[in-house]
Amino acid sequence: GAVVSQHPSRVICKSGTSVKIECRSLDFQATTMFWYRQFPKQSLMLMATSNEGSKATYEQGVEKDKFLINHASLTLSTLTVTSAHPEDSSFYICSARDFDEQYFGPGTRLTVT
Amino acid sequence: SQKIEQNSEALNIQEGKTATLTCNYTNYSPAYLQWYRQDPGRGPVFLLLIRENEKEKRKERLKVTFDTTLKQSLFHITASQPADSATYLCALDIKGYQKVTFGTGTKLQVIP
Repeated sequence: GAVVSQHPSRVICKSGTSVKIECRSLDFQATTMFWYRQFPKQSLMLMATSNEGSKATYEQGVEKDKFLINHASLTLSTLTVTSAHPEDSSFYICSARDFDEQYFGPGTRLTVT
Repeated sequence: SQKIEQNSEALNIQEGKTATLTCNYTNYSPAYLQWYRQDPGRGPVFLLLIRENEKEKRKERLKVTFDTTLKQSLFHITASQPADSATYLCALDIKGYQKVTFGTGTKLQVIP
């Protein structure tokens, strides 16, 4: 199957700082990538759909100014958590479509202190 | 409202038996349905995709059925092994949208 990588796998940052997470499709091109958030013992919640060359589409309730998404190329999307607060601590997972199938990255554990 | 429910939060099964997980949905018209495995602290791993016009799909010890009348998918793992212990997620790909919506997940524990 297709491979999606994410970097970093873990990050700890201080409250008020910004954190960037990278998502790459390694062996296929993805015009669309997705960013999910997962709280402990809960399912994945879609945050936004990232479209190459255009603005991201955010789900209801997700602050676009706080979670900045950039899809700079067909293999790279980035999520920047701006002015992070402890409540932003979570597991962030990106995914990309390869035809009908959707593949996920290994996730990034963000801890805001 | 739209809902995707998986039969139980947790399922314990004896090694060697067949594990059956259920995914029910309401108020969706999925183009296809996908099953994923997720281990703690990891992203979901794609297992199988089944389309609305397919009744059944198999891959090694895995079998998925899809009944659009009942709005239900069943996921079977035959000859289960302790290594199959994980959380299994179903996800619907909605017609007309390029995004996938996840069910609540079932944590499977295969007991040696």
